[in-house]
Amino acid sequence: QEQLVESGGGVVQPGGSLRLSCVASGFTFRSYGMHWVRQAPGKGLEWVSFIRYDSYNKYYGDSVKGRFTISRDNSKNTLYLQMNTLRPEDTAVYYCARPLSIGGQDAFDIWGQGTMVTVSS
Amino acid sequence: MVMMQSPATLSVSLGERATLSCRASQSLTTNKLAWYQQKPGQAPRLLIYATSTRATGVPARFSGSGSGTDFTLTISSLQSEDFAVYYCQQYNNWPRITFGQGTRLEIK
Repeated sequence: QEQLVESGGGVVQPGGSLRLSCVASGFTFRSYGMHWVRQAPGKGLEWVSFIRYDSYNKYYGDSVKGRFTISRDNSKNTLYLQMNTLRPEDTAVYYCARPLSIGGQDAFDIWGQGTMVTVSS
Repeated sequence: MVMMQSPATLSVSLGERATLSCRASQSLTTNKLAWYQQKPGQAPRLLIYATSTRATGVPARFSGSGSGTDFTLTISSLQSEDFAVYYCQQYNNWPRITFGQGTRLEIK
C-alpha cells in the first residue's frame, strides 16, 4: 500500500524554525520527485516546493523562497522541509504529495495525512 | 497563473447533476488540469487528471472536460459521499503549480 506519513509539526514562535518529515512506503521513493503543499485553516491549497528524485533540482513557491529548504534522504525513504524565519501566515497543515509519474510534472495521486504547523507568540 | 473556481458554494439535491467550473487566467497550452476532492479533516483525493482522465478507483459519475481557459467537473448523479470541497489545479506551468480557491458542494 502506497503511503506517506508526515511528522514534525507543532507550535513555534514567529522567527522560529521547524523541520517537517515525510516517510514514504509501498513504492520506490527514490524514483519519484516529491512535493510539499500547504493549507491554511479554512483556506485553499498552496503548492510549496518540489524536489527531483535525485535532489538535482529544487523549486519553491514565492511565499517561501529563501526561508524554506526541501531535501530528501532516499536511503531512509524520507522527504524533509526545513522551515526558517517562520511567519504567522505560514500557519497551515503541510502535506507531502507524490505525483502520478516519476518525472514529477503531473497531478498528485498520493498524499500524506498532513501535519499542522502553528506560528504564534 | 490564477485559477478561479465558480461558484464558491453549490447546493444540489441527491441524484441531481452538479457542474463545477474552473477558469484559468491564461490559456493552458496542454491538458494539464486536475481536480481533487477534499472532505473535512482529510487530505485531498485526486479525481481527474489530464483534464478528463479519471484516477484509479474514481466512479464513472465523475467526468472532466475543457480546454484553453475553461474547464468543468461534472458529477452526473450526486451521492451522499460526494458532498465535499473540490479544487482544480493546473500543472501546465510546472513547477509553478496553482490551485483554485475551491467549490463547496452542499446538499440542497
